Amino acid sequence: QKEVEQNSGPLSVPEGAIASLNCTYSDRGSQSFFWYRQYSGKSPELIMFIYSNGDKEDGRFTAQLNKASQYVSLLIRDSQPSDSATYLCAVTTHNNAGNMLTFGGGTRLMVKP
Amino acid sequence: SAVISQKPSRDICQRGTSLTIQCQVDSQVTMMFWYRQQPGQSLTLIATANQGSEATYESGFVIDKFPISRPNLTFSTLTVSNMSPEDSSIYLCSLWGGLGTEAFFGQGTRLTVV
Repeated sequence: QKEVEQNSGPLSVPEGAIASLNCTYSDRGSQSFFWYRQYSGKSPELIMFIYSNGDKEDGRFTAQLNKASQYVSLLIRDSQPSDSATYLCAVTTHNNAGNMLTFGGGTRLMVKP
Repeated sequence: SAVISQKPSRDICQRGTSLTIQCQVDSQVTMMFWYRQQPGQSLTLIATANQGSEATYESGFVIDKFPISRPNLTFSTLTVSNMSPEDSSIYLCSLWGGLGTEAFFGQGTRLTVV
């Protein structure tokens, strides 16, 4: 079974701090990796995706990918209370229909003012 | 990014009835997916809907319960058939252009079965 694991949290950080969210995956064939933010009652919103080893930065967000360790992370700098949400990691896996996204269970982030 | 319109946004349905959820995209996309998100849970893939072929269902989901149509590259429907309270969930359509591209979600349909 192809799995994506995340710590469910809650991860609590003070406003202005760096929040570090982690995700591990089991399928070595996974090629693309996504981070979504989901507010309660809303659909997931794409933050960024990465498919090459290393770091990818977009504003306050940095995704880090290490395929050898099967590990992808999301760093949020200068965390704001509005960043409080559940963060979902998704990785591409393969099924009979072709490629698909498999989601982790999500990490709940709480940024305290 | 593509614009996805999903309808209805929410519904309350009687057990034993069926509900059809629609997903319309403003551009042609090869791969569309339907997910279920039960309360407090992450997303579970129901099926992959590629245009021109039958949907591919994940383990635990069957066509009789969740029939899917994909008549063209911009539209898909998911029907939740013979509903029971256990079907109460959020249903989401998603589109993806393939490896190296972004994947997006519709607004979701919050279904309550009473």
